[in-house]
Amino acid sequence: DAEITQSPRHKITETGRQVTLACHQTWNHNNMFWYRQDLGHGLRLIHYSYGVHDTNKGEVSDGYSVSRSNTEDLPLTLESAASSQTSVYFCASSVGLAREQYFGPGTRLTVT
Amino acid sequence: GQQVMQIPQYQHVQEGEDFTTYCNSSTTLSNIQWYKQRPGGHPVFLIQLVKSGEVKKQKRLTFQFGEAKKNSSLHITATQTTDVGTYFCAGPSSFTGGGNKLTFGTGTQLKVEL
Repeated sequence: DAEITQSPRHKITETGRQVTLACHQTWNHNNMFWYRQDLGHGLRLIHYSYGVHDTNKGEVSDGYSVSRSNTEDLPLTLESAASSQTSVYFCASSVGLAREQYFGPGTRLTVT
Repeated sequence: GQQVMQIPQYQHVQEGEDFTTYCNSSTTLSNIQWYKQRPGGHPVFLIQLVKSGEVKKQKRLTFQFGEAKKNSSLHITATQTTDVGTYFCAGPSSFTGGGNKLTFGTGTQLKVEL
């Protein structure tokens, strides 16, 4: 069965370190998304991609970057982790931009 | 930019009571989607509505899309403990650069007490 996975599921890192969160989907979806979820803020879009070699900024992209070298993967990099980036991160994919999204299980990131 | 608000933010009900959450967008939507997120879990797609005034049912859940396609509601009849979670609506936005990416609502957290 097709799925979307994220790793690691939990991560603790120190302020200033570079961190990369992995997202892998086997749906063969062109569109992939990264969100962060914080209490009181719902799901906020960080970056998204329409396809290979395409990346776009979302509403809260500062301090984050993504790259899309193949259809299956969209890793999210925190260049220099900050305590404000402590959050739960969800990756999602969809067959079309306005179509339903399939979410990964999430990564809980703590920046100390 | 587009804003999608949901009310209430929280709702506690006794098992067997009905529950309704409302979703309001600042702009007209081409479709509205609903997701459920169980505690500690990830959002899971429930349904999509496309037509003005559309009503769809999934067992005890009834979804409605407003006539003006700017609002929607989710009604649960006779809640059960399995309904616990946060319900999000989502609709296509035209945030930065155009396109129809989804904007998620703020969510309604439902707790069901025995």
